[in-house]
Amino acid sequence: RKEVEQDPGPFNVPEGATVAFNCTYSNSASQSFFWYRQDCRKEPKLLMSVYSSGNEDGRFTAQLNRASQYISLLIRDSKLSDSATYLCAVMDSSYKLIFGSGTRLLVRP
Amino acid sequence: DTGVSQDPRHKITKRGQNVTFRCDPISEHNRLYWYRQTLGQGPEFLTYFQNEAQLEKSRLLSDRFSAERPKGSFSTLEIQRTEQGDSAMYLCASSLSPDPAGTNTGELFFGEGSRLTVL
Repeated sequence: RKEVEQDPGPFNVPEGATVAFNCTYSNSASQSFFWYRQDCRKEPKLLMSVYSSGNEDGRFTAQLNRASQYISLLIRDSKLSDSATYLCAVMDSSYKLIFGSGTRLLVRP
Repeated sequence: DTGVSQDPRHKITKRGQNVTFRCDPISEHNRLYWYRQTLGQGPEFLTYFQNEAQLEKSRLLSDRFSAERPKGSFSTLEIQRTEQGDSAMYLCASSLSPDPAGTNTGELFFGEGSRLTVL
């Protein structure tokens, strides 16, 4: 079993749609949690950290459920520019990030 | 540009040759990480340094791979006797050590990567 698992997608949604991604992790001792965005053939860029209380940044909302060991990302009012791969990342006890395989999002006009 | 920089951005080599990649982290960051990414996969951890000390190496890092960070600033990743399976994007990232007080969660900032193609 992979340490961090994501649905690979692709999620194909129309502009304006709301889309949610989930990510599960296996190590209950994981310290911190992040969502990264990666455009085609580019490096991953930090989208947002994920806190236990949940956090929101504009159209993006991240949630953490420690009991069930999953993390979610909600994107409201999708834009064409949101098309990318979204990587879930979990920081382990040695402070290195373990990434999921990523979920592809395609937003169509 | 004060971000993470990597060199070269692209490298094409023949099987059996040695290659070396360089990473210059964000200047105040004490941690430096190397990851490898292939198409359709997330970045896979290879190794990381805190200052000049190499603290952890993945089992993915065979004895053909070696990484150094001699002065605690830039780092090099060398692959000896390259194989076609080494073809990938090699990503470097840097961070500050996480702060127990929670003011810094240790998020990683990535360079643009070095794309290796082994023919």
